Amino acid sequence: DAGVIQSPRHEVTEMGQEVTLRCKPISGHNSLFWYRQTMMRGLELLIYFNNNVPIDDSGMPEDRFSAKMPNASFSTLKIQPSEPRDSAVYFCASTMLTGPYGYTFGSGTRLTVV
Amino acid sequence: DAKTTQPTSMDCAEGRAANLPCNHSTISGNEYVYWYRQIHSQGPQYIIHGLKNNETNEMASLIITEDRKSSTLILPHATLRDTAVYYCIVRVPREGSGGSNYKLTFGKGTLLTVNP
Repeated sequence: DAGVIQSPRHEVTEMGQEVTLRCKPISGHNSLFWYRQTMMRGLELLIYFNNNVPIDDSGMPEDRFSAKMPNASFSTLKIQPSEPRDSAVYFCASTMLTGPYGYTFGSGTRLTVV
Repeated sequence: DAKTTQPTSMDCAEGRAANLPCNHSTISGNEYVYWYRQIHSQGPQYIIHGLKNNETNEMASLIITEDRKSSTLILPHATLRDTAVYYCIVRVPREGSGGSNYKLTFGKGTLLTVNP
């Protein structure tokens, strides 16, 4: 199993541009989570999906952020327009919906908005 | 939500056991205790979890007190590669979900530094 796969690993973009982060969860996992990590705020949960359906997006900071999960093997987190304060490491994680299983995290996408 | 309290940092000598404490005095009966760690520049890594009984796997041991108000993660023979931030987390069921939906909330954790 290749684990949770995120792309790109690094993204540098100019303020105002659209940014799309991608995540492929572990096959068979039916819960997917997007986290953001900064030095100031630590790890923050942005949104999570169960069976491809968004369950809780209360952590999404603004309307500029949106997330989709069109199928069980793919999810995107989009920022439009991006701002310098969005600079962070974005992690995707997946797990099984039922049972007390741990999460498996991807390697993250380091986003820098200049 | 049950909150956790961990020391900000700890040191351990290479080859010795590392014992990382966590207090979770408001934990409820059906909440699990999870431990994760994050090595610099990597994603968090699941280590172990438990409900009431002590647990052991290839990475670590988890000791939960009888009243479940605290726990200790034990790395039996710490190596330099175990230097990381260790997070103690209590599983939080989503409100109104009946426990079927849940999320993990990360605190600041403990920075464990293993010294040669």
